[in-house]
Amino acid sequence: DTEVTQTPKHLVMGMTNKKSLKCEQHMGHRAMYWYKQKAKKPPELMFVYSYEKLSINESVPSRFSPECPNSSLLNLHLHALQPEDSALYLCASSPPGGPNYGYTFGSGTRLTVV
Amino acid sequence: DAKTTQPPSMDCAEGRAANLPCNHSTISGNEYVYWYRQIHSQGPQYIIHGLKNNETNEMASLIITEDRKSSTLILPHATLRDTAVYYCIVRGGGKLIFGQGTELSVKP
Repeated sequence: DTEVTQTPKHLVMGMTNKKSLKCEQHMGHRAMYWYKQKAKKPPELMFVYSYEKLSINESVPSRFSPECPNSSLLNLHLHALQPEDSALYLCASSPPGGPNYGYTFGSGTRLTVV
Repeated sequence: DAKTTQPPSMDCAEGRAANLPCNHSTISGNEYVYWYRQIHSQGPQYIIHGLKNNETNEMASLIITEDRKSSTLILPHATLRDTAVYYCIVRGGGKLIFGQGTELSVKP
């Protein structure tokens, strides 16, 4: 299995809702990432997990809450989002360690906040 | 990680080679050059990466200048399905940080 699977593919949520995005990989990668991508812009890094521990939080608002329950699964819990949080949310994974390893990306969750 | 500079857009005729340039004049010795592409509304796709030597795989070739201050991604026979945004990224540490990329349009 050489894929990163993200669910759901599309999500519409109200500003008072709580929802979660899910990301799964079975490549044995021990580093996992969340990116946010607005239309016509490059992906922006949000969070990095290494060996199931949060190692980087790029000053993301607390209404986004990541969780890594095990080495194959990464969640992003969403609460009290704003319309400007509407974006494509991308998950990626890589072997941990040095920069000689590429990231594998999922196809993303298209989130719309109404 | 070093910053990269790419042209915002390029056109290429179908069947011809597409040569995408990237400047990374502040690259340091232990930083790799990575290329990814993103087809509309999909996740970024890894293409190729290298440190010093030129690299080739089934998708593309990567040519890195001897001083490592610039590189070129070559798609040898571009097809319409190669239309995408191509990102050149210099990576030395744990993070993959995307720049603005080059929007490549392959035309019939």
